[in-house]
Amino acid sequence: ETGVTQSPTHLIKTRGQQVTLRCSSQSGHNTVSWYQQALGQGPQFIFQYYREEENGRGNFPPRFSGLQFPNYSSELNVNALELDDSALYLCASSPGTASTNEKLFFGSGTQLSVL
Amino acid sequence: SQQGEEDPQALSIQEGENATMNCSYKTSINNLQWYRQNSGRGLVHLILIRSNEREKHSGRLRVTLDTSKKSSSLLITASRAADTASYFCATPPGGYNKLIFGAGTRLAVHP
Repeated sequence: ETGVTQSPTHLIKTRGQQVTLRCSSQSGHNTVSWYQQALGQGPQFIFQYYREEENGRGNFPPRFSGLQFPNYSSELNVNALELDDSALYLCASSPGTASTNEKLFFGSGTQLSVL
Repeated sequence: SQQGEEDPQALSIQEGENATMNCSYKTSINNLQWYRQNSGRGLVHLILIRSNEREKHSGRLRVTLDTSKKSSSLLITASRAADTASYFCATPPGGYNKLIFGAGTRLAVHP
């Protein structure tokens, strides 16, 4: 158990809808990263938040957006859902200063299916 | 584009045998990490090796890093059925605050 919790665990949406995924980071961690993992692939970096500010973004369109709250929990929002958005969405937290020299602590993910 | 590429894509062995997975990457790094994933759920960090280290051990795991060849290997000794999982290498490309994962090696250990 990493102490990182994600909700919901599963979600079914239809194309064009909007979705919000939530993540509570491990106690003491101020950096949260979100990843998308398609079936049979490795996780792809979406973005990272450090102390409530976006601190890096991967190759994802603007309809993927996020927030980090003062308690360092985070949300991932996806607008205008597309079929290709079906994937496992993983949240990971890390302590310190958003350095890449640290390991990530992952939640169990949210499995999103877009029909 | 993938920074890390694992080889082989899939590996099937018997309990007690050793399992070796390889990872290649493209750009300079300051560390390389290995993660394990059971049944498409959350990833668990296994080991981090820094660019100035050549080998690191953790229990039944041994990781090597060759920065001249931009490659790493993960060895699991005396494998168990419980080691069945997908294994990913991940690297932070220089100057970026994100980890880039390879496509993973799916390991099946048969009793």
